[in-house]
Amino acid sequence: DAGVTQSPTHLIKTRGQQVTLRCSPISGHKSVSWYQQVLGQGPQFIFQYYEKEERGRGNFPDRFSARQFPNYSSELNVNALLLGDSALYLCASTLNPDTNTGELFFGEGSRLTVL
Amino acid sequence: GENVEQHPSTLSVQEGDSAVIKCTYSDSASNYFPWYKQELGKRPQLIIDIRSNVGEKKDQRIAVTLNKTAKHFSLHITETQPEDSAVYFCAAWRNSGGYQKVTFGTGTKLQVIP
Repeated sequence: DAGVTQSPTHLIKTRGQQVTLRCSPISGHKSVSWYQQVLGQGPQFIFQYYEKEERGRGNFPDRFSARQFPNYSSELNVNALLLGDSALYLCASTLNPDTNTGELFFGEGSRLTVL
Repeated sequence: GENVEQHPSTLSVQEGDSAVIKCTYSDSASNYFPWYKQELGKRPQLIIDIRSNVGEKKDQRIAVTLNKTAKHFSLHITETQPEDSAVYFCAAWRNSGGYQKVTFGTGTKLQVIP
């Protein structure tokens, strides 16, 4: 079975540009969440989506947005990129957050460098 | 919002010794506490978790304890092996009415010396 897949794996952008990151959850998982991991720090929660609805939002500016599609895949968009947005962006899927199973299955991440 | 503090930031132990990593959280509504292991350049992987209605959980060489009153939880690794070397993250998960928020600790870099 395929795990959580993310694309692209690496990308370089310049300040002010926009970026879209993509995530496909494990088959059967209906919830996707996004995290930002700056080098040397723990993952920071950005968003969680379940059944195409936002179910959680971290302390990130409005430049960050996300959505979930009918096939449960998800996109994370970041506008007006800043140097500080350089990080590893992790996507994680869970079966059903309402059942409180909790386990997050992470993808390999998308490493974004902003120059 | 939730704040999770994790200590120590680095930990070196001799192979075969025990390692203990501690986390404290601030939000009493947090009800699920997972621990993740992240090897260099790889994704975080769940190694053990505990729910707020349980005080202790063990899985072979790994155990986690939770003190809800004091709002702290700890990871215990016994008989450490070189392959245990990695960065470990604790997390506090709040799930209320289907709305989720997860806060991770800052990580502990564990080095097991052969």
